[in-house]
Amino acid sequence: KQEVTQIPAALSVPEGENLVLNCSFTDSAIYNLQWFRQDPGKGLTSLLLIQSSQREQTSGRLNASLDKSSGRSTLYIAASQPGDSATYLCAPLSGGGADGLTFGKGTHLIIQP
Amino acid sequence: ETGVTQSPTHLIKTRGQQVTLRCSSQSGHNTVSWYQQALGQGPQFIFQYYREEENGRGNFPPRFSGLQFPNYSSELNVNALELDDSALYLCASSRRDRSADTQYFGPGTRLTVL
Repeated sequence: KQEVTQIPAALSVPEGENLVLNCSFTDSAIYNLQWFRQDPGKGLTSLLLIQSSQREQTSGRLNASLDKSSGRSTLYIAASQPGDSATYLCAPLSGGGADGLTFGKGTHLIIQP
Repeated sequence: ETGVTQSPTHLIKTRGQQVTLRCSSQSGHNTVSWYQQALGQGPQFIFQYYREEENGRGNFPPRFSGLQFPNYSSELNVNALELDDSALYLCASSRRDRSADTQYFGPGTRLTVL
């Protein structure tokens, strides 16, 4: 059974800092891994998807890396802004896709103006 | 391209009642997955539908059931509601023929069971 852990659970930093959010998973037999952000009481917004054969993926100020063999992914946020404040969730997809995404509890991020 | 939509936005039920939640997939998507998110937790996978059949299921009892229609929209039905069923219910759509494709989530339905 896939299990996901995200560290840190919460983070509060001043605007402009570069950040690294960590995600670890127990079953390395994954198809892909997605990073999402969730604003309070809202649905999930997909940020990046990394295929199992890829090492990293970039979108704007976001960069996600994947080390499948060690069961780790990181999300790097450059030049953080107050609008980046949200909960960030990583979710690997395993079991041929039919097991659905497995989520951790996320990292609650606050960017101070 | 329209996004994933869900209805209703909020719902209040009492213990023992039944509820139906609805989801319309993003245009061009043929797979729908449902997730339950309790307060302060990450979403948990309930089940997935592809070509109108249940294609995978998480650790949820049979009183959680679903349907997928020919237009790829979907319903989640929960019978004999319990207090612990109070949560945000999310659906996500994707394209099954590209098994490693992105899942796109709807805004969710907030269910409160009293």
